[in-house]
Amino acid sequence: AQSVSQHNHHVILSEAASLELGCNYSYGGTVNLFWYVQYPGQHLQLLLKYFSGDPLVKGIKGFEAEFIKSKFSFNLRKPSVQWSDTAEYFCAVSLYSSASKIIFGSGTRLSIRP
Amino acid sequence: NAGVTQTPKFQVLKTGQSMTLQCAQDMNHEYMSWYRQDPGMGLRLIHYSVGAGITDQGEVPNGYNVSRSTTEDFPLRLLSAAPSQTSVYFCASSPDGRWNTEAFFGQGTRLTVV
Repeated sequence: AQSVSQHNHHVILSEAASLELGCNYSYGGTVNLFWYVQYPGQHLQLLLKYFSGDPLVKGIKGFEAEFIKSKFSFNLRKPSVQWSDTAEYFCAVSLYSSASKIIFGSGTRLSIRP
Repeated sequence: NAGVTQTPKFQVLKTGQSMTLQCAQDMNHEYMSWYRQDPGMGLRLIHYSVGAGITDQGEVPNGYNVSRSTTEDFPLRLLSAAPSQTSVYFCASSPDGRWNTEAFFGQGTRLTVV
């Protein structure tokens, strides 16, 4: 079955540290890739997405992600985190063969120390 | 622009009670879905709809019913609540459910079954 793996369940960083959150998916076909963010007490919002073209995708708030097809990965990065980045981050995949389903990873909770 | 609206935001039920979680969107989106979010498990798809009058099961449909009589509304019914249904429920919509469209989420309903 298709799955999305986020290996970091909880990441704790200090402000200004660099961030990289891992995401791997298990599906050999054509995929679209997403990162969603959920700030405390709020709903999920789209951070960035990859559909095609340049595998390095830039999103809102200084986040970027790189699609590496050979590694089935779509890692999220930010050079310098801020306290306001404290949130839960979800990687998600939509499958060309299943137009109506988006599969989510288990999420990574990011805590930033002021 | 309200987007996706869920009611109620919080609910406590006794085992065996039934209730309906409401979801409405004002973006004229064809595709709507319900997810549940549990710690360490990410978001799991309960039911989805690709248009008025059409619904289908996701990966965890047992104990839930849905209907889609209008484009705007997609209520989720719990037939006989169980403690295992304690979760946060999110409704989402997207323009047409194609694999390359992002989802827009409601604020969530936190349900506790005692």
